[in-house]
Amino acid sequence: SQQGEEDPQALSIQEGENATMNCSYKTSINNLQWYRQNSGRGLVHLILIRSNEREKHSGRLRVTLDTSKKSSSLLITASRAADTASYFCATVSSGGSYIPTFGRGTSLIVHP
Amino acid sequence: NAGVTQTPKFQVLKTGQSMTLQCAQDMNHEYMSWYRQDPGMGLRLIHYSVGAGITDQGEVPNGYNVSRSTTEDFPLRLLSAAPSQTSVYFCASRDTGASSYEQYFGPGTRLTVT
Repeated sequence: SQQGEEDPQALSIQEGENATMNCSYKTSINNLQWYRQNSGRGLVHLILIRSNEREKHSGRLRVTLDTSKKSSSLLITASRAADTASYFCATVSSGGSYIPTFGRGTSLIVHP
Repeated sequence: NAGVTQTPKFQVLKTGQSMTLQCAQDMNHEYMSWYRQDPGMGLRLIHYSVGAGITDQGEVPNGYNVSRSTTEDFPLRLLSAAPSQTSVYFCASRDTGASSYEQYFGPGTRLTVT
């Protein structure tokens, strides 16, 4: 079963606006990752945040992690039409195989 | 580096046929895995391998077999295709370093079973 669940399922914004996606998970994690998938392509890793971190930045991306609420958020600032894609959170549980478990994703459309 | 490659890109099978989806990586990654992606379901893990000669089942292994005879290759076999196996299949790999959890994905194989 999916460990992470993204919210919202779909998001439509104008270019220049910020986009926020949320991910909730159920069990203790070692780390949480966000991936991006353009239509018809494979997933591309964006950013990883470890369980002992609360916030991380990479360019226009900002990820937060609240382990007490078992949730994470991905913020894309000043969005561009090229950011149109699906975004997935993936959790790596503490112990075990260290293979990530993916959520169902958020579909983001950025209108020019 | 070519990264993770998958063949074929598209395949149509009839119910009951068998086939092998190929996956190869040239990054010397120990971990490899197979996912299927269905609309509204995200990615679900089928099988994974933590090194040559070692494989294990994921969330949805029924109807699929894997083997890992080399570090580079991780083929996925459909034993007797069923319409429920219509999906997009992704292969992924990652390094085994303590701080390396990033997965590298192939471009996918779109499979239709009629």
